[in-house]
Amino acid sequence: AQSVAQPEDQVNVAEGNPLTVKCTYSVSGNPYLFWYVQYPNRGLQFLLKYITGDNLVKGSYGFEAEFNKSQTSFHLKKPSALVSDSALYFCAVRGPYSSASKIIFGSGTRLSIRP
Amino acid sequence: DTEVTQTPKHLVMGMTNKKSLKCEQHMGHRAMYWYKQKAKKPPELMFVYSYEKLSINESVPSRFSPECPNSSLLNLHLHALQPEDSALYLCASSQDLTAGAPHFGPGTRLLVL
Repeated sequence: AQSVAQPEDQVNVAEGNPLTVKCTYSVSGNPYLFWYVQYPNRGLQFLLKYITGDNLVKGSYGFEAEFNKSQTSFHLKKPSALVSDSALYFCAVRGPYSSASKIIFGSGTRLSIRP
Repeated sequence: DTEVTQTPKHLVMGMTNKKSLKCEQHMGHRAMYWYKQKAKKPPELMFVYSYEKLSINESVPSRFSPECPNSSLLNLHLHALQPEDSALYLCASSQDLTAGAPHFGPGTRLLVL
């Protein structure tokens, strides 16, 4: 069965500093990995995805994520945080084709950027 | 058009009411999803449709009844709900059931009294 873990409930970063939001996954076969952001009382906005290819994936709003197969991780990063990045972030995994319909979300990490 | 729309944005209903949530996309996506999200929790998959056919039902109670009238529309019919069903209901769509990333709508916030 596939699963995804976000070990940190909350991450606090000063504006202008780099940020990292951690995600690890477990899936048989090659994973499809996603990051989404959710602002209060809103739906989920897609940030980026890893399907295959380069391990460093660039996405929306200056975010990027690094796929590490040996560590089964897909951490979200940004070189310089903005106050407006404060939101709830979800990592998600879709398994191989036999169970491809199911996209499983991590528990979420609340990112707080202080001015 | 690159968005998923959902109506209504908010819904308050009694436990004896019948109501429907609607979702629409015009991106040509052939997979559509319903998720339920409680406050500060991740979305939980409820149903998946592929090419207008129900592909997955995650053991959802029968008081929730999905319908996919065509490739652009997805409905969720609600009947005899319980207060614990109050949540944000999110619709999403993707190109198909393989690698595509789902695009989410803004959700319908449901309150059951």
